[in-house]
Amino acid sequence: AQSVTQLDSHVSVSEGTPVLLRCNYSSSYSPSLFWYVQHPNKGLQLLLKYTSAATLVKGINGFEAEFKKSETSFHLTKPSAHMSDAAEYFCVVTGYSTLTFGKGTMLLVSP
Amino acid sequence: NAGVTQTPKFQVLKTGQSMTLQCAQDMNHEYMSWYRQDPGMGLRLIHYSVGAGITDQGEVPNGYNVSRSTTEDFPLRLLSAAPSQTSVYFCASSYSGLAANTGELFFGEGSRLTVL
Repeated sequence: AQSVTQLDSHVSVSEGTPVLLRCNYSSSYSPSLFWYVQHPNKGLQLLLKYTSAATLVKGINGFEAEFKKSETSFHLTKPSAHMSDAAEYFCVVTGYSTLTFGKGTMLLVSP
Repeated sequence: NAGVTQTPKFQVLKTGQSMTLQCAQDMNHEYMSWYRQDPGMGLRLIHYSVGAGITDQGEVPNGYNVSRSTTEDFPLRLLSAAPSQTSVYFCASSYSGLAANTGELFFGEGSRLTVL
């Protein structure tokens, strides 16, 4: 079985400062890992994915994540936050035939 | 492109009523699934299908039925609604028969259900 833990339920940053959203995982397989973003009253959208190629993965809107097997982590980062980044972010790990979602991290961006 | 279309967007039911949430995709995706989203709980898988005629249970299947008679449609039926089923429901699809192979799900915009 697989599981994913998002270490922060809320993260607050100022516009222009770095973003770090933390995710730890466990899996019986060699997992694939993903970050999704959900803007208010919208469905989820794929930000980026790791599927056993390069450990540093670049996604849309300047986000990137690094897969660290030794730490079982897949943290999401962005060098400079923008107001439009305010949303909820979900870390996701694959199992054999399903995906397991973390409980989400709400990113708040202040001017 | 329409992508994944869910109807209705909003619904209010009384306890004991039944209803069907509709989901349709026009991307010829093999994999379709239903999730419910509750505050602080993330998304939890209700049922999924890896192709027409094939369905399976997810993490929280009780109180819900599904069928997959066509590739395009994957309706979710609430048999006898309960207040605990108040939630936002998302339908999602993927081109792979095993979504875990890619993880790239395409989501509808959600159906907000309230059960009184």
